[in-house]
Amino acid sequence: NAGVTQTPKFQVLKTGQSMTLQCAQDMNHNSMYWYRQDPGMGLRLIYYSASEGTTDKGEVPNGYNVSRLNKREFSLRLESAAPSQTSVYFCASKQWTDHTEAFFGQGTRLTVV
Amino acid sequence: DQQVKQNSPSLSVQEGRISILNCDYTNSMFDYFLWYKKYPAEGPTFLISISSIKDKNEDGRFTVFLNKSAKHLSLHIVPSQPGDSAVYFCAASGGGGDDMRFGAGTRLTVKP
Repeated sequence: NAGVTQTPKFQVLKTGQSMTLQCAQDMNHNSMYWYRQDPGMGLRLIYYSASEGTTDKGEVPNGYNVSRLNKREFSLRLESAAPSQTSVYFCASKQWTDHTEAFFGQGTRLTVV
Repeated sequence: DQQVKQNSPSLSVQEGRISILNCDYTNSMFDYFLWYKKYPAEGPTFLISISSIKDKNEDGRFTVFLNKSAKHLSLHIVPSQPGDSAVYFCAASGGGGDDMRFGAGTRLTVKP
């Protein structure tokens, strides 16, 4: 029972490079989320997908794009990485948007140099 | 704007004593609140939650209290154990919004 799986676990990018962070869940959840964690800032919501086929911006969407590929998978793309995007990224899923807890992946530590 | 606030970055308590972690929120539309625990190099894990129709929810050593009029919730851990040492995040959701917002976290250290 894998839960929420994120790949890769670590990545170093040069400024201006692009990459896609992958997330997959095997719990048949409807809602999926991308957060970034920075020291002193906690977890900030980048984008979320309330259900398959929909995506919405969170608190800090600039510089990112997302794709809800199917019910299981929700990817986060950095088109032109910047040092300010150095962070730990977490994907999460939950059954529905309201009144349920979210399950998190192990995180992706991204460094942009 | 930070809709969920945890104003204490850290808390240190002695093993066996009570730990009290606090959280404030500004959005009166939030109606579901959660606490997550996070160890280094791991993702957050769900600890306990409370709906806005309640003012208290207990699960073993963990109790969450909600004061809607003050827009404040707290997590009580009794008795605290060294294994409770982690970062604790408060989160809120609901009110018609589909997203879930987190506070900045409080690092709890329980000393033996």
